[in-house]
Amino acid sequence: KNEVEQSPQNLTAQEGEFITINCSYSVGISALHWLQQHPGGGIVSLFMLSSGKKKHGRLIATINIQEKHSSLHITASHPRDSAVYICAVRFNPGWSGGGADGLTFGKGTHLIIQP
Amino acid sequence: EAQVTQNPRYLITVTGKKLTVTCSQNMNHEYMSWYRQDPGLGLRQIYYSMNVEVTDKGDVPEGYKVSRKEKRNFPLILESPSPNQTSLYFCASSPRGRMNTEAFFGQGTRLTVV
Repeated sequence: KNEVEQSPQNLTAQEGEFITINCSYSVGISALHWLQQHPGGGIVSLFMLSSGKKKHGRLIATINIQEKHSSLHITASHPRDSAVYICAVRFNPGWSGGGADGLTFGKGTHLIIQP
Repeated sequence: EAQVTQNPRYLITVTGKKLTVTCSQNMNHEYMSWYRQDPGLGLRQIYYSMNVEVTDKGDVPEGYKVSRKEKRNFPLILESPSPNQTSLYFCASSPRGRMNTEAFFGQGTRLTVV
């Protein structure tokens, strides 16, 4: 079965620290999403990647297709960055055991940034 | 403003009483999907739709129905809800046929079935 693994599951850091959240997946993908979920529950899309690197403000997302790995980095972290960060992938069609069309999600990384 | 709107945000109901959670998007997206989120299990796909009148099962479709009569709307129907359907539900949409482009999520519907 195709899987998406995230690490760490929980991360507590001090304000200003550089944060890295990792995502690895089992087989080829056509797209990888990084999502943010705040305590209120709503989900916001941060990035969609199929190769390379993207940057938005203090957030940077990278993907290495050969290694089947992606990272989300937060520079100069702030308490308002506290949230659950979720990696989600769309596996290439045709892979056996790929399940239904759509996104397969990691279980999320619960990030707390302390002042 | 581009958005996916779900209603209601919160719902408590009793076992067996039919309910519908609505989802509407104003971006003319082809692809729409429903997910449920449970502690320890993460998000799992319930149903998806590639376009009007085209729907298909996701990974956990049992106990749910959907319809896509118009491009903007994709309601989730629970004909006879049971307590194991207590969950946080999300609707999502994407511009093209599959989630190979940016995904937009609704604010979620927290459902409790007693």
